[in-house]
Amino acid sequence: NAGVMQNPRHLVRRRGQEARLRCSPMKGHSHVYWYRQLPEEGLKFMVYLQKENIIDESGMPKERFSAEFPKEGPSILRIQQVVRGDSAAYFCASSPPGQGRSEQFFGPGTRLTVL
Amino acid sequence: AQSVTQLGSHVSVSEGALVLLRCNYSSSVPPYLFWYVQYPNQGLQLLLKYTTGATLVKGINGFEAEFKKSETSFHLTKPSAHMSDAAEYFCAVEETSGSRLTFGEGTQLTVNP
Repeated sequence: NAGVMQNPRHLVRRRGQEARLRCSPMKGHSHVYWYRQLPEEGLKFMVYLQKENIIDESGMPKERFSAEFPKEGPSILRIQQVVRGDSAAYFCASSPPGQGRSEQFFGPGTRLTVL
Repeated sequence: AQSVTQLGSHVSVSEGALVLLRCNYSSSVPPYLFWYVQYPNQGLQLLLKYTTGATLVKGINGFEAEFKKSETSFHLTKPSAHMSDAAEYFCAVEETSGSRLTFGEGTQLTVNP
């Protein structure tokens, strides 16, 4: 059973470009979480999605950031018009469906560098 | 609102010595508590977790942690440090069902030969 997959692992963008980060959850998992780790800091929650639904986006910046988790395909975190402050490691985690609390399994992360 | 405090952003121990990484949390409901380890340029790996039941939790690589409700703590220990334990360690809390994890700022563990 493959783990959580993220691609690309490293992404370099110039200021003003768009960044698209992809996350494929573990097989059978329908919950996806995105976290951001700024240099020398811990992980901060961004958004929680289930298939075709955003459940909690209270950690998302108000502008330029969006996320989706379509019925088919990976979850996408999109950052428009990137700025240097967006440089960070972005981690995706997934968990299985169900009402109870479940462990979140983390992907290897995408390290975004904005020049 | 939940929060996690890790005392000491850097901890240095000698190989073979006791490892103690501190974590205190605040939560309005019984929390689920986690310790993750992150090696350089890698993702997070779960070391151990507390959900319900026994308050002393054993994890991988010889680590264990004890949930102390009265002290709102979940400190991570290992009796004898190994060089391969050098990494960053994060404590996290999940407060409600299917919700986000709130992480501490992390503790960088250095193991000296």
